Amino acid sequence: EVQLVQSGTEVKKPGESLKISCKGSGYSFSNYWIGWVRQMPGKGLEWMGIIYPGDSDTRYSPSFQGQVTISADKSINSAYLQWSSLKASDTAMYYCARQWSDSSGSFYFDYWGQGTLVTVPS
Amino acid sequence: DIVMTQSPDSLAVSLGERATINCKSSQSILYSSNNKNYLAWYQQRPGQPPKLLIYWASTRESGVPDRFSGSGSGTDFTLTISSLQAEDVAVYYCQQYYNIPFTFGPGTKVDIK
Repeated sequence: EVQLVQSGTEVKKPGESLKISCKGSGYSFSNYWIGWVRQMPGKGLEWMGIIYPGDSDTRYSPSFQGQVTISADKSINSAYLQWSSLKASDTAMYYCARQWSDSSGSFYFDYWGQGTLVTVPS
Repeated sequence: DIVMTQSPDSLAVSLGERATINCKSSQSILYSSNNKNYLAWYQQRPGQPPKLLIYWASTRESGVPDRFSGSGSGTDFTLTISSLQAEDVAVYYCQQYYNIPFTFGPGTKVDIK
């Protein structure tokens, strides 16, 4: 069974750093892109970026480039989303999701993590 | 970026009645070499992560009830719930995966009338 398990709720101060995680199991973690999606309180879904754990190839949405860093460690089947200096506007639920892939490309998100709530009080 | 729009923003439908949600992309997301539309639909129930319902615009994900169907091509797409059930109360999102960033629509909230 494919599962993505994310790290727990975080409450941080503005200016602090943070790294949240997403651990995959039940499939070949190295061979599927993993994406991150932001959902601000009461708002819709925003595609942040993706990483291919096999070689750490990473693509960012222009809206998030330079604001966050996506990384992965294929040896422990984990992907990460990190901030160097949090802002109140980073308060949101963050989901990781597996992007279904075949030989012709990488496509929709077929499995999702449970979400990690990040709160940065102003 | 490809901009995705959805209509309506919300709708309320009686149990057993049909719900129709529209999604429009700012450019065609039909890939000519394989004649596939690079569009997915997701359901997000309150307090839950999104769940994949439909991909390639009209292919139902395994385990998704057949009352959910997707249609459309090019820039205009529709998600139809043929007979609304109580468990279908949720926000529904379309997403294009034709070009990075793989943008989502703003969502359509479905409630019971």
